[in-house]
Amino acid sequence: GAGVSQSPRYKVAKRGQDVALRCDPISGHVSLFWYQQALGQGPEFLTYFQNEAQLDKSGLPSDRFFAERPEGSVSTLKIQRTQQEDSAVYLCASSQVGGGDIQYFGAGTRLSVL
Amino acid sequence: KQEVTQIPAALSVPEGENLVLNCSFTDSAIYNLQWFRQDPGKGLTSLLLIQSSQREQTSGRLNASLDKSSGRSTLYIAASQPGDSATYLCAVKGGNTGKLIFGQGTTLQVKP
Repeated sequence: GAGVSQSPRYKVAKRGQDVALRCDPISGHVSLFWYQQALGQGPEFLTYFQNEAQLDKSGLPSDRFFAERPEGSVSTLKIQRTQQEDSAVYLCASSQVGGGDIQYFGAGTRLSVL
Repeated sequence: KQEVTQIPAALSVPEGENLVLNCSFTDSAIYNLQWFRQDPGKGLTSLLLIQSSQREQTSGRLNASLDKSSGRSTLYIAASQPGDSATYLCAVKGGNTGKLIFGQGTTLQVKP
């Protein structure tokens, strides 16, 4: 596609529900990143994939957060048993290679946990 | 641990002014530094990327400088316009992990 696509754009969940957020990177981009952006803050790194391999998941805040990219293209970020503090915008970015290239960001998914 | 700070947090200027946004980082061992623009409800748009070996980059009315030894970068916007109103974020990339570490952003309002 022309850019990084994320869905849904908005998600409202009741506390305790599981949610799944989807990211469709730019075609051919090897690297994929997930970031979490709280209101009024800069994005914070969650996890990084190179093709289907999850090379860095040091930013995932708890074991309730899980990400996968099984075929090296589309990625899903899953949050189990959502809590109010999970409310944030979840941004996905992709780049052509691992270390040096510009990261292109999607519009994000705004998650609100009630 | 790398920390990135942006000053000021918010800025309001009249149209036509030249302005400077500041970014500082605690660990000078960076791979590159990037400036982004974020409009409300939108993702991030990359404005300028400065590699660690470079001192500055220019694109149109934007100029970004990098002083790695002092841990500072500035984004200079010339002849500001109302369309420049947005949040500006700087981010550093350390090593080969690929992840970006962001500042909190500067929210700019340019008044007509």
